[in-house]
Amino acid sequence: AQSVTQLGSHVSVSEGALVLLRCNYSSSVPPYLFWYVQYPNQGLQLLLKYTSAATLVKGINGFEAEFKKSETSFHLTKPSAHMSDAAEYFCAVPAGGTSYGKLTFGQGTILTVHP
Amino acid sequence: DAGVTQSPTHLIKTRGQQVTLRCSPKSGHDTVSWYQQALGQGPQFIFQYYEEEERQRGNFPDRFSGHQFPNYSSELNVNALLLGDSALYLCASSLGPPASGRLSNTQYFGPGTRLTVL
Repeated sequence: AQSVTQLGSHVSVSEGALVLLRCNYSSSVPPYLFWYVQYPNQGLQLLLKYTSAATLVKGINGFEAEFKKSETSFHLTKPSAHMSDAAEYFCAVPAGGTSYGKLTFGQGTILTVHP
Repeated sequence: DAGVTQSPTHLIKTRGQQVTLRCSPKSGHDTVSWYQQALGQGPQFIFQYYEEEERQRGNFPDRFSGHQFPNYSSELNVNALLLGDSALYLCASSLGPPASGRLSNTQYFGPGTRLTVL
């Protein structure tokens, strides 16, 4: 079954600095990969999704992610952090096989943005 | 365009009690999935409903059951509550039957129900 690993449970950046949140998938190339964001006391909001149509995926709020097969990675980046980006970010992948309706999530990365 | 809605927002129960959580999918969606998110963890898949049937299930005991209605809304029932059932319960909706390769399986999440078991 597919799984994802998020490296770094906490990432802290200054406002205006580059944001880099790491996600690696486990095995065979997945058909889809997702990044979701969760603001405090809220549900999950879809940031972007990889569908194999393009390796560089642009999402909402200025975020983008690049699919790199050679590195089994799908890292999330934003050139300039804003205070409003402070949240928890989850990478997710369909479980695969006959469990394609099930999403498997990483452990999450909490992003803190300092003034 | 209404997104996924869930009720109630918060719920406090005691051990051994039963609870029912409700979800209305995003307009036009017909598939509902439920996830449990314990504090500090990523969401864990409970089960998924399509055409009023449970189509897939995660590693949760039979105390967790569900239902989908003809209008595609869904309920999650948990019996004999344990302290460990305290979590945020998330509902997600998507379009179309669960099938490999379907882009429409993108899941959109509701705000969740925070369940506290004392």
